[in-house]
Amino acid sequence: NAGVTQTPKFQVLKTGQSMTLQCAQDMNHNSMYWYRQDPGMGLRLIYYSASEGTTDKGEVPNGYNVSRLNKREFSLRLESAAPSQTSVYFCASSGGGLPQFFGPGTRLTVL
Amino acid sequence: AQKITQTQPGMFVQEKEAVTLDCTYDTSDPSYGLFWYKQPSSGEMIFLIYQGSYDQQNATEGRYSLNFQKARKSANLVISASQLGDSAMYFCAMRRGTGGFKTIFGAGTRLFVKA
Repeated sequence: NAGVTQTPKFQVLKTGQSMTLQCAQDMNHNSMYWYRQDPGMGLRLIYYSASEGTTDKGEVPNGYNVSRLNKREFSLRLESAAPSQTSVYFCASSGGGLPQFFGPGTRLTVL
Repeated sequence: AQKITQTQPGMFVQEKEAVTLDCTYDTSDPSYGLFWYKQPSSGEMIFLIYQGSYDQQNATEGRYSLNFQKARKSANLVISASQLGDSAMYFCAMRRGTGGFKTIFGAGTRLFVKA
C-alpha cells in the first residue's frame, strides 16, 4: 500500500500562473482533505471532501478550488497563484473520521 | 469557536527521560476527538494517538500516552523513555464531533532530545 501520494513534490510558479496539485489514496477512505502549512501556524484546512461527490470549504478556501475525481483522487487547483499561497500543501484521507493519514506534502513557491 | 493552544514553542529532554507536551483546547461541542501528530524534519505527518471526548480511559500507544483532563480542557502528550528519533515537531489537533471533518491544529511544539 502506498497510502496517500501527492504530486508534484516541489513546484515554483510565477504570480498569476495556474496549477493543479494531485492527491490519491489507496486505503479505500471516504474522506479526503487539503491543508496548507505555513511557518509557525500549524496546518490549516483548505477544503475537504466527506465522501465521493461532495466537497466543502475549510478554514482558508479563498484562491483555491477542488475536485473529488473519484473515491481515490482529490485535486487542488490554484487558478491564479499569488505569493501568499507559498506554502507546504498536505493531502490527507480518513475512514470513519479516524484518524487522518497524510501524504508527503508539496512545497510550493510563488514568485 | 474552537481553538487549540500549544504554549511550548520548544522543549528539551534528555534521552531516556519522559517529557510532557502541553495542549489545551476550547470547544462547546460535547463530542470531539483529540489527536497528536509527529512531524520529523523530513516533513511527513505521522499520526501518534487519539482520544475521544467520551473515552473513559486515557489513550496509550506504546511509549505515547495522552493525559486527558476534560474539565481542564487539556490533552497533554506524554512520551516515555525519550529517544533521539523523537526529535521533531509535535502537533495537537481537534476534530469536531463524531464523524466530523473539520480538524484544527495547534501551532506545534518542537522537541529536542539530547544524548
